Amino acid sequence: DVKVTQSSRYLVKRTGEKVFLECVQDMDHENMFWYRQDPGLGLRLIYFSYDVKMKEKGDIPEGYSVSREKKERFSLILESASTNQTSMYLCASNPSSGGRDEQFFGPGTRLTVL
Amino acid sequence: GQQVMQIPQYQHVQEGEDFTTYCNSSTTLSNIQWYKQRPGGHPVFLIQLVKSGEVKKQKRLTFQFGEAKKNSSLHITATQTTDVGTYFCAGRGVGFQKLVFGTGTRLLVSP
Repeated sequence: DVKVTQSSRYLVKRTGEKVFLECVQDMDHENMFWYRQDPGLGLRLIYFSYDVKMKEKGDIPEGYSVSREKKERFSLILESASTNQTSMYLCASNPSSGGRDEQFFGPGTRLTVL
Repeated sequence: GQQVMQIPQYQHVQEGEDFTTYCNSSTTLSNIQWYKQRPGGHPVFLIQLVKSGEVKKQKRLTFQFGEAKKNSSLHITATQTTDVGTYFCAGRGVGFQKLVFGTGTRLLVSP
């Protein structure tokens, strides 16, 4: 069964802290994505990666960075957390080929920045 | 850039009533996907539409892709309490552009 896991379901951090959100998929997918979900705004793409050590900016990359050292793992980094980064963060993955374009999501991390 | 709008933002129906959510893209799409997110859960893929004018059914759910490949709809016949959740469309622009999610429609079904 396809599985995407995220390191924490809930996280509380203070303004200015460096925050790491980890995502692991066991499906050997090439593509991985980080979204944030806010009420009324849907899912907005922060960064994505289509291969190890590759990364591309999404629609709202400011204040975030990412790391993909291994195929199965995609990390989202908040260099200096701010209160406007309080949100639900969702990781997703999908394969590069095979016809189906669906994304498989992890359970999400609800981050609160105080 | 590409934008995908969804209406309504929220709908509350009585069990047994029908429900429709509409999705509109600012640009022509190569495909459109629909996801369902249960309360407290994560988005789960429902279906993908690729062809102009395509209609697909999954039990009580009917999905349509517009002729111009810029809009789509999801219709649920005779809603049940298990249909509660937020429904998202997601469109991919022509030329392998990234997937853009709509703002979602939150459905509440009262027994």
